[in-house]
Amino acid sequence: DAGVIQSPRHEVTEMGQEVTLRCKPISGHDYLFWYRQTMMRGLELLIYFNNNVPIDDSGMPEDRFSAKMPNASFSTLKIQPSEPRDSAVYFCASSLARGELFFGEGSRLTVL
Amino acid sequence: EDQVTQSPEALRLQEGESSSLNCSYTVSGLRGLFWYRQDPGKGPEFLFTLYSAGEEKEKERLKATLTKKESFLHITAPKPEDSATYLCAVHLTRGYALNFGKGTSLLVTP
Repeated sequence: DAGVIQSPRHEVTEMGQEVTLRCKPISGHDYLFWYRQTMMRGLELLIYFNNNVPIDDSGMPEDRFSAKMPNASFSTLKIQPSEPRDSAVYFCASSLARGELFFGEGSRLTVL
Repeated sequence: EDQVTQSPEALRLQEGESSSLNCSYTVSGLRGLFWYRQDPGKGPEFLFTLYSAGEEKEKERLKATLTKKESFLHITAPKPEDSATYLCAVHLTRGYALNFGKGTSLLVTP
């Protein structure tokens, strides 16, 4: 059974450009989470969805960040415009209700 | 405010040298404490869930225990392949997202 699939694995872009990260959760999971990981701050929750509906977006840094989940098998995290401080590894995870989270391999973003 | 604190930040062990990692938490009404392993360049991989004080779970050389204020991950006779970052997390007071500690980076040398 395929796990959580994220793309791209690596993204290098210049400041001011739009970045779109993609995630396909595990089939049948009804929760989807976006986290960001940096050395300084560790793993931080950005937003999560239940049955495609955003439940808590209080971790989204600012209006430059947006996330959507148009259907149960796809989600995007968009940053527009990107800034160097957005450089991090972005993880998508999915779960069944209160169960454990299953993480993707992450998308490493570098903003120059 | 929900908080998870892990110690030590880094730990270096000789192969076969047993030790413990600590995770202390402050959360209203614990609904689950989770341990994950993360290898470089990979996403966190689930190890254990503990729900109530006194509960213990084991997997190979790892054993996780839980009290009302903290959890320990005991590593018995570690091998170099146990080298990784170990993350602890609890459910946020509201909702089903996990709040993670910053992790303990474990290096086991031959």
